[in-house]
Amino acid sequence: NAGVTQTPKFQVLKTGQSMTLQCAQDMNHEYMSWYRQDPGMGLRLIHYSVGAGITDQGEVPNGYNVSRSTTEDFPLRLLSAAPSQTSVYFCASSYTRAGVERGYTFGSGTRLTVV
Amino acid sequence: GDSVTQMEGPVTLSEEAFLTINCTYTATGYPSLFWYVQYPGEGLQLLLKATKADDKGSNKGFEATYRKETTSFHLEKGSVQVSDSAVYFCALTHGSGNTGKLIFGQGTTLQVKP
Repeated sequence: NAGVTQTPKFQVLKTGQSMTLQCAQDMNHEYMSWYRQDPGMGLRLIHYSVGAGITDQGEVPNGYNVSRSTTEDFPLRLLSAAPSQTSVYFCASSYTRAGVERGYTFGSGTRLTVV
Repeated sequence: GDSVTQMEGPVTLSEEAFLTINCTYTATGYPSLFWYVQYPGEGLQLLLKATKADDKGSNKGFEATYRKETTSFHLEKGSVQVSDSAVYFCALTHGSGNTGKLIFGQGTTLQVKP
């Protein structure tokens, strides 16, 4: 099925370890973004991309890196994991038509625990 | 900056009751507005959207009208079911020039009892 695929679904890291959360979409959407979801805080934007080779920071970018070498993939890298990065991470993709956002498709999420 | 404010939850209703979840926003320009729903243990699904003032989005019995004069996008349903129990998020993004980003409210948990 077409959509946004995130891997892994669950991950436990030790403080200081690094890892990459994978995100891939097969809808040829130009826009992709990463969010983290924490209790009582909704979803907060980490990084986003408006096309291959273009990325920008969102609301909470510290401790995370991204790159967008292809339209399909948008991995999120944790450089040195900290307990404050324990969260559920969602990747999303979207597109515009006639200059109007047409809605975002979300992946199923990655639940990350840093101990 | 842009922001979205939702009513505090949880909202607890009996089956077949009328639902309103309030959402107001602050944004420059003319954002598109969305409601997303998250069922327990799942990701977010787009419930409905509106891209310009006075538009009404609707889906699965839910409705919301884009009110520019009151900067609101309240979610309503005439008769809720137990299966509607979920977390509901109001969100906005700009329709042009600032795409790729969604700004979310904090979410409102709805519990529907039989």
